[in-house]
Amino acid sequence: QLQLQESGPGLLKPSETLSLTCSVSGVSISSSSYYWGWIRQPPGKGLEWIGSIYYSGTTFYNPSLESRVTISGDTSKNQFSLKLTSVTAADTAVYYCARGSTVTTFHYYAWDVWGQGTTVTAAS
Amino acid sequence: QSALTQPASVSGSLGQSITISCTGTSSDVGSYDLVSWYQQHPDKAPNLIIYEVTKRPSGVSNRFSGSKSGNTASLTISGLQPEDEADYYCCSYAGSSTLVFGGGAKLTVL
Repeated sequence: QLQLQESGPGLLKPSETLSLTCSVSGVSISSSSYYWGWIRQPPGKGLEWIGSIYYSGTTFYNPSLESRVTISGDTSKNQFSLKLTSVTAADTAVYYCARGSTVTTFHYYAWDVWGQGTTVTAAS
Repeated sequence: QSALTQPASVSGSLGQSITISCTGTSSDVGSYDLVSWYQQHPDKAPNLIIYEVTKRPSGVSNRFSGSKSGNTASLTISGLQPEDEADYYCCSYAGSSTLVFGGGAKLTVL
């Protein structure tokens, strides 16, 4: 069964680095049919795309976060990770990992499977 | 990269139809037929309901439909049901493998 599960610390102090992992089951992150991404949602606000990683390891980031974000993949564990440096209170949000499709005949460029989300709070 | 513009709230009566707009630019919505829509109930992860502007994933009700004209995409929900009350987000491909979401619209079913 296809599942995505986020994990990582829920509380950080300002200036620390946020590190989250998305464990994927039911499909290989190495499949060329998909890309994987991180999306966040501050309390009471909308969704924000953070970035994506493709099967080749190529990454793309939201320009507004690019200087602080790194997304990487670990094919041996079938996981991908997010690092966001120098967090502030504005980074407090629910962080979701999700799957996107590169197959033109199947949910092309849509996020079709999501994790349940994990809450990260940045506060002193 | 600016967020796509959606109305903050929309409402409709049971059984009626509503339309939620999603306005972008010629760099995103206007350039690509890669707009998707998501339904999010409180404290739940978003759920894909429309992709490639007009297509529905398997299992999604045909009461949901999508369209696009110029830089604006739209989601129409017909025959409103109580379970349709949720937040709705659009998302568009914006070139160079980047994506942008809308600010979200809260649907109230009266």
